[in-house]
Amino acid sequence: EAQVTQNPRYLITVTGKKLTVTCSQNMNHEYMSWYRQDPGLGLRQIYYSMNVEVTDKGDVPEGYKVSRKEKRNFPLILESPSPNQTSLYFCASSDTGGVNGYTFGSGTRLTVV
Amino acid sequence: AQRVTQPEKLLSVFKGAPVELKCNYSYSGSPELFWYVQYSRQRLQLLLRHISRESIKGFTADLNKGETSFHLKKPFAQEEDSAMYYCALSGLSNDYKLSFGAGTTVTVRA
Repeated sequence: EAQVTQNPRYLITVTGKKLTVTCSQNMNHEYMSWYRQDPGLGLRQIYYSMNVEVTDKGDVPEGYKVSRKEKRNFPLILESPSPNQTSLYFCASSDTGGVNGYTFGSGTRLTVV
Repeated sequence: AQRVTQPEKLLSVFKGAPVELKCNYSYSGSPELFWYVQYSRQRLQLLLRHISRESIKGFTADLNKGETSFHLKKPFAQEEDSAMYYCALSGLSNDYKLSFGAGTTVTVRA
């Protein structure tokens, strides 16, 4: 089944403790992206990647890092999480830069205390 | 810079009534426009693409370049249409970065 898989689904952590949210797609898509969803703000793009080793900042990149060493994986790294990064995170992938639409993962609910 | 505006945060309609979700955009060039839907506790799903001119689940959306709008419409709302709807835009001039509006929560009452 074609899908985007994120892990974990839920995560509670403490301020400053480094964490990684994994994202993997099995559709051989070139484009991958991370979004955060907050009430009243919709989805805001954190980082995106057009291909292996090609990444760029989205609208809200501060406090996040990404890497794209393989085509299928696009992990999101929070080196020193803070409470304002408490949010619902979605990973998404597309084969044509979004022209045919993105496929989204199930989301990761992160709480930083 | 590209931007997507959904002026209505909440929309409540009765079952069987028409529903229209507004979306306006700003973009320099020819945009690709989409509607995504998120049912309760589920992932976002692509509902419509403007290039395909299709009707999905009774919804249609027409791109109006003069008014820079891409409103979503359905003539007869159903209870299962209750969800969050996002309008989104991408384009070549911005490396196909997909930008979303703030979303509209639709509630269809029996």
